[in-house]
Amino acid sequence: NAGVTQTPKFQVLKTGQSMTLQCAQDMNHEYMSWYRQDPGMGLRLIHYSVGAGITDQGEVPNGYNVSRSTTEDFPLRLLSAAPSQTSVYFCASSYSPSGSRAYEQYFGPGTRLTVT
Amino acid sequence: AQSVSQHNHHVILSEAASLELGCNYSYGGTVNLFWYVQYPGQHLQLLLKYFSGDPLVKGIKGFEAEFIKSKFSFNLRKPSVQWSDTAEYFCAVGKGGGNKLTFGTGTQLKVEL
Repeated sequence: NAGVTQTPKFQVLKTGQSMTLQCAQDMNHEYMSWYRQDPGMGLRLIHYSVGAGITDQGEVPNGYNVSRSTTEDFPLRLLSAAPSQTSVYFCASSYSPSGSRAYEQYFGPGTRLTVT
Repeated sequence: AQSVSQHNHHVILSEAASLELGCNYSYGGTVNLFWYVQYPGQHLQLLLKYFSGDPLVKGIKGFEAEFIKSKFSFNLRKPSVQWSDTAEYFCAVGKGGGNKLTFGTGTQLKVEL
C-alpha cells in the first residue's frame, strides 16, 4: 500500500490565485482530514470527511473548500490564496480498529505552500 | 473548547539522558490519546496511542506514556534518549468516538552527542 499520498510537495502561489492540493489514500479508510501546520501552533484541523459525499468544517475552514466524491480522494481547494495561508498542509486518513470507537490517523508527507 | 497543552516547547538533552514530555488536556469526557513524532523534513508518525485499558502504554523506539485520568495528563517518557530521537513531538487528543484530533503546539527535542 502507498498509504496517504499528497501532491504537490511544494507550491508557490501569488495572492489571489487558486489551486487544489491533492490527497489520496489506498487503505479504504472512511475518514479523511486536512490539517495545516504553522510554527508554534501545532496542527489545526481545516476540514474533514466521514465518508464519500460527506464533509464538515474543522477549526480553521475559512478560505478552503473540500469535496469527497470517492473514498480514496479528498482534495483541498484554496479559492483565492492569501499570505496567511502560507503553511504546511497535511492530509490524514483514519479508521476505527475493530470493536473500538477510537480512530487512528495516518498522515501524508505534506505540501509546503508559500503565498507571496 | 477542548485544548491540549505541551508545556515544554524546546528541550535539549545529552545522549543517554532520560526524557519526559508533558501533555495535559482539558476535555472531561472519554478521550483517545496519541503521541506523534515528526523528524526533520518528514511527516507525522504515530509513536503510541491510548484508547482504553492499561494506562501505561508502550510505543515504538522505546517510548512509553502514562495516562493519568485524575490529572488529565498523558506524559511521554523514554529512559535513555539517542541522537536519532531529535525531532518534534506532538500530543493529540480525540474525543471518544470521534475522528477529529486536537493537537498540542509541539515540543522540539534536540539530543546532543
